[in-house]
Amino acid sequence: GNSVTQMEGPVTLSEEAFLTINCTYTATGYPSLFWYVQYPGEGLQLLLKATKADDKGSNKGFEATYRKETTSFHLEKGSVQVSDSAVYFCALSLGTYKYIFGTGTRLKVLA
Amino acid sequence: DTAVSQTPKYLVTQMGNDKSIKCEQNLGHDTMYWYKQDSKKFLKIMFSYNNKELIINETVPNRFSPKSPDKAHLNLHINSLELGDSAVYFCASTPPAGVTEAFFGQGTRLTVV
Repeated sequence: GNSVTQMEGPVTLSEEAFLTINCTYTATGYPSLFWYVQYPGEGLQLLLKATKADDKGSNKGFEATYRKETTSFHLEKGSVQVSDSAVYFCALSLGTYKYIFGTGTRLKVLA
Repeated sequence: DTAVSQTPKYLVTQMGNDKSIKCEQNLGHDTMYWYKQDSKKFLKIMFSYNNKELIINETVPNRFSPKSPDKAHLNLHINSLELGDSAVYFCASTPPAGVTEAFFGQGTRLTVV
């Protein structure tokens, strides 16, 4: 079946630290991959996406590269800020009216 | 303008009651979804509708009945509420063509007491 596995949280970092949140997937076919962010009390917002192998999605200093050989889509940011504190979800879609989300990783950035 | 709006934002009710959550999108999207987010933030799809037709029903108890009067609306009715139904429910929508981002509502926090 199709699934997404994310690293367990919470992740606690100091401001300006380097961030990596791991995401691997299992899919029948060629999915598109997404990272969504959920700030406290809000719905999910798209952070970045990649639709084919070797694509790199980037937004607001966050990056993730679609690695078909390792079935991964790890999220990285070189220098996190307190305002990046949120829950991050990795997701895949095969265009079949269904998004599959990972379990979410809570990030807490300390000043 | 809010793209995907849900009402109410908070809902507290007693076990056994029947309640509805409404969702509307003004994006012209054809596909709408309901997701359930539990206390551990795990997000699970419940239903997917495309142009008012049910596409996906993820083995949700039949106490949950979605209704789509038109493609801009997808409401969720829940009968005989149980404690385990307490969660945040998110509505989402996607455009008609290709694989693209989903737009989410702000969520409805349902608490069953």
